[in-house]
This record gives sequence, C-alpha cells and structure tokens, in this order.
Amino acid sequence: DTAVSQTPKYLVTQMGNDKSIKCEQNLGHDTMYWYKQDSKKFLKIMFSYNNKELIINETVPNRFSPKSPDKAHLNLHINSLELGDSAVYFCASSQKMGEGRETDTQYFGPGTRLTVL
Amino acid sequence: AQRVTQPEKLLSVFKGAPVELKCNYSYSGSPELFWYVQYSRQRLQLLLRHISRESIKGFTADLNKGETSFHLKKPFAQEEDSAMYYCALLNAGGTSYGKLTFGQGTILTVHP
Repeated sequence: DTAVSQTPKYLVTQMGNDKSIKCEQNLGHDTMYWYKQDSKKFLKIMFSYNNKELIINETVPNRFSPKSPDKAHLNLHINSLELGDSAVYFCASSQKMGEGRETDTQYFGPGTRLTVL
Repeated sequence: AQRVTQPEKLLSVFKGAPVELKCNYSYSGSPELFWYVQYSRQRLQLLLRHISRESIKGFTADLNKGETSFHLKKPFAQEEDSAMYYCALLNAGGTSYGKLTFGQGTILTVHP
C-alpha cells in the first residue's frame, strides 16, 4: 500500500560503475521528481517529469539520465559513478504540477542511500 | 531566482517550551510555501502548506508577505517533534513551474 516506493534502499558501488534506482508511485499522479540530498542534508531538485515528458532538468551532469516508461515510474540511471554522487536520492510525485493548488503537493519516497567507494 | 533561507541549522528546546523555526523566502511571484518534516532516517513528509491554513501536530505557520516569512510555530514542543524540518517554496509559474526549492533545513531537538 506504499504510495511512493524506491528500490534499492541502499546501494554501495565502486567508482566508474553504472547503476539504476527505480521509483514507482501508485497514487495515480501525473508528475514525478528526483531530488538529491547531500551529506549536509541539503535537498535539491534534479528532474521532474509530467506525463512522461521531461519538464525540469536542473543542471545535472549528463551521466544522470532519468527514464519514465509510464506515468507511474521514473527511474534514474547513473553512468560512470563518482565519489561526489554519494548521497540520498529521493523520488517524489504530485497529482499535478505548477497550478498552485492542493494538487501540487509532493509526496516523497523513502530514499535510496547511494555510496560510491 | 527563488530562494528559501532557514537561518538556524540547529535548534534545541526543552519539552513543553514554545518553538519557532524560521523561514524566509525570496520570490517574485505569489508564493506557495510548505513545511516538510524528516524524522530520523525516514522519508520527507508534508507537515503543512500555507494555503491549507491547517494545524498539524500542533504546528502552525503563517505566511507574512511583508516580511517574506513563513515561520513554523508550536506552543508546547514534544520529544517526538525532534526531526529535520524543511521549508520549501513552489514555483507555480514560468519556465520552472513545479520546481520545489528547499531551505537548508533546521534540526530540531526537544530535550526531556
């Protein structure tokens, strides 16, 4: 019954590897997001998708590529992992986006703690 | 550019004391503001948003456009309120609509 789920919860990998994080929401929302929470707990948006269309791309390196196979899923693939990519990645979803109403409220997944060695 | 500032990284109070977590924002449009809470090693949860004008878990926040503030208040803090609190601003227009900008977060510790 989890609203926004992410897998895996923890991911430990070596520098240079390629990895993916999956996100699924069962809320019927149109919009999904990826956020990065760094070691200082600072949260910053990376991407947003609305109905499988990329809307926001916040100066994220090309090594990060989101993929949205359908409205309920937004996966994050990371190529050539670097030490600085170590962080907690949060997926979120909202019913709509940018309308300034209750439907904008974003609901977050549990996070994926990525550690790059 | 929109900006959210939470001036206090850490805030400690004793149980039963009033608590106020400060949030100031900078935004050219009409602001949509939120408070999110993150308990230890858990997901972010929406605490409240200003358009709802609700009181959740005893917390309230009033948007003050003159002071560009959205401070979070609770008259009597409880130990279970200990968490990280984020103030966030939603861009509801323009090319970055839908973008949620977070403040740096404030870690609230309520001592017994």
